[in-house]
Amino acid sequence: DSGVTQTPKHLITATGQRVTLRCSPRSGDLSVYWYQQSLDQGLQFLIQYYNGEERAKGNILERFSAQQFPDLHSELNLSSLELGDSALYFCASSPWGTGENEQFFGPGTRLTVL
Amino acid sequence: AQKVTQAQTEISVVEKEDVTLDCVYETRDTTYYLFWYKQPPSGELVFLIRRNSFDEQNEISGRYSWNFQKSTSSFNFTITASQVVDSAVYFCALRGPNAGNMLTFGGGTRLMVKP
Repeated sequence: DSGVTQTPKHLITATGQRVTLRCSPRSGDLSVYWYQQSLDQGLQFLIQYYNGEERAKGNILERFSAQQFPDLHSELNLSSLELGDSALYFCASSPWGTGENEQFFGPGTRLTVL
Repeated sequence: AQKVTQAQTEISVVEKEDVTLDCVYETRDTTYYLFWYKQPPSGELVFLIRRNSFDEQNEISGRYSWNFQKSTSSFNFTITASQVVDSAVYFCALRGPNAGNMLTFGGGTRLMVKP
């Protein structure tokens, strides 16, 4: 158990809908990262937040957005969902926002868009 | 840009065999960090090891060992006396300041250990 929690574990929804994925980092970690794992794109970095502020952005679509709250939990919002958004979404956390820290991953949320 | 290549998409071995998973990386950073993660069939990503670019000492942890060679930009992972429980997808990853400290993953190597 990494100490990172993600809810829900599974999510099934329809195209055009909007969903919110939630992540609680390990106790004491200030940095939260979101990744998408799909069969065709592999594991891709989406976005990073550090202590409430956006720190780095990767291949995140404009239909997707995220935020980190004062209690350090984070939410990833996916809107106007398409079939291709079906994937496993991981949240990870680390103590700081810099490169030397390993990131500890949550169990993931499997999103299925029908 | 940084890139991680895991040329072996799938490896199948019989229990107790040794197996090496290859990882080759590209980066313009002089300081960077390399990682290995394991993804068992249950789906979670489990951190295995972190290596700094300025520390080329090889590391051994039980049946696991890692060989970091800066000259060839490789960070290979060896499992000695493999077990069925080692069956998983293994990811090599790279993180450096030039890419905003984001973690760049290789495509993964699926290891199947047969009894």
